[in-house]
Amino acid sequence: DTAVSQTPKYLVTQMGNDKSIKCEQNLGHDTMYWYKQDSKKFLKIMFSYNNKELIINETVPNRFSPKSPDKAHLNLHINSLELGDSAVYFCASSQDGVSKFFGPGTRLTVL
Amino acid sequence: RKEVEQDPGPFNVPEGATVAFNCTYSNSASQSFFWYRQDCRKEPKLLMSVYSSGNEDGRFTAQLNRASQYISLLIRDSKLSDSATYLCVVTHRGYQKVTFGTGTKLQVIP
Repeated sequence: DTAVSQTPKYLVTQMGNDKSIKCEQNLGHDTMYWYKQDSKKFLKIMFSYNNKELIINETVPNRFSPKSPDKAHLNLHINSLELGDSAVYFCASSQDGVSKFFGPGTRLTVL
Repeated sequence: RKEVEQDPGPFNVPEGATVAFNCTYSNSASQSFFWYRQDCRKEPKLLMSVYSSGNEDGRFTAQLNRASQYISLLIRDSKLSDSATYLCVVTHRGYQKVTFGTGTKLQVIP
């Protein structure tokens, strides 16, 4: 029944590692997003995909690479993790670009 | 100046009180405005859109002042369950550009 799901919920890893976060939505929405929320609670958009096509790519290091195998999935791969990557990463989906449904978040801690 | 600014709070109010938050935005071309609610360690959830004429949803009233470039959220008869962080969201360029405020924390006290 979960509309937008993310895995894993928690991710603790060492600097320099590569990790992936997966996101799936069962709402039939065309647009999916990745957001990063830092320790100061600032929620910032990273990427937006519409029907598997990248439409927004904010200033994000190229160590972050999104992949959308189909419109229901948007995964995020992060290479060479750094301490500053520690944050909560939220996936979201929307049909109209207005009402966004967020996933439960992935809390990433880089040690 | 930040694109979207909010007083971080916390606003500590007793149950039953009325509380209001403002959110200012810097881009006069901003088109759409929303309030989201985020509970501690949870995801943001859309609370309500903000229309030019103002709109109400139960105990919640949202207003937009384009001349002064701010939106407001009024909560009447506060409940303990209203305790959360309220995020202001502003869009322009046809929803391509969506900016979240850092949120205002509300704590309703018994």
